[in-house]
Amino acid sequence: GAVVSQHPSRVICKSGTSVKIECRSLDFQATTMFWYRQFPKQSLMLMATSNEGSKATYEQGVEKDKFLINHASLTLSTLTVTSAHPEDSSFYICSARDGRGTYNSPLHFGNGTRLTVT
Amino acid sequence: AQTVTQSQPEMSVQEAETVTLSCTYDTSESDYYLFWYKQPPSRQMILVIRQEAYKQQNATENRFSVNFQKAAKSFSLKISDSQLGDAAMYFCAYRSDRTGGSEKLVFGKGTKLTVNP
Repeated sequence: GAVVSQHPSRVICKSGTSVKIECRSLDFQATTMFWYRQFPKQSLMLMATSNEGSKATYEQGVEKDKFLINHASLTLSTLTVTSAHPEDSSFYICSARDGRGTYNSPLHFGNGTRLTVT
Repeated sequence: AQTVTQSQPEMSVQEAETVTLSCTYDTSESDYYLFWYKQPPSRQMILVIRQEAYKQQNATENRFSVNFQKAAKSFSLKISDSQLGDAAMYFCAYRSDRTGGSEKLVFGKGTKLTVNP
């Protein structure tokens, strides 16, 4: 079945540094990927929609310059947290829709990345 | 904007018993999808069941079934013959079905289900 691979699963970085998280669709092409953020014991909040070959669409309140998204190919989207601060510590999850399917095809989720900023 | 409300932060059930998780939503759209996702401690989001709003028949997947009440905007999940492996966070989610509409999922805050042996 379709698989979405997210890497790394855990990362610890120092305040002020940047961290890149990758989201890959392993056996399908994903024209659209979604990046979610989940705080402890909270729901998933959509940060941005990543579109292959075009700019990402950010949700209200999400800083574009802080959370850089690049969807350079049909199988890879990256989220870069720039100048990370402790308040950026969270669980980040990506999801992707199989572009071969219809608009109604289900989303596939990655395993998530636990980011800790010290 | 659409909203999804899960009024039960936590629920517990005895193994082999039945439990129902509640979900209500608010939308002005007539075409949409509703989902229940399970998130075990591994944090992997697993699709449990999905319902198309245009379908009157309630979706069923083995031990999981929904009670979809479109007029009441209610979408509850029933888990029958609960198993220890069912213990997880359960999220109700909404997605628009409008052509050109957003594909994003709107999630509720989740219900933590504990299954007691």
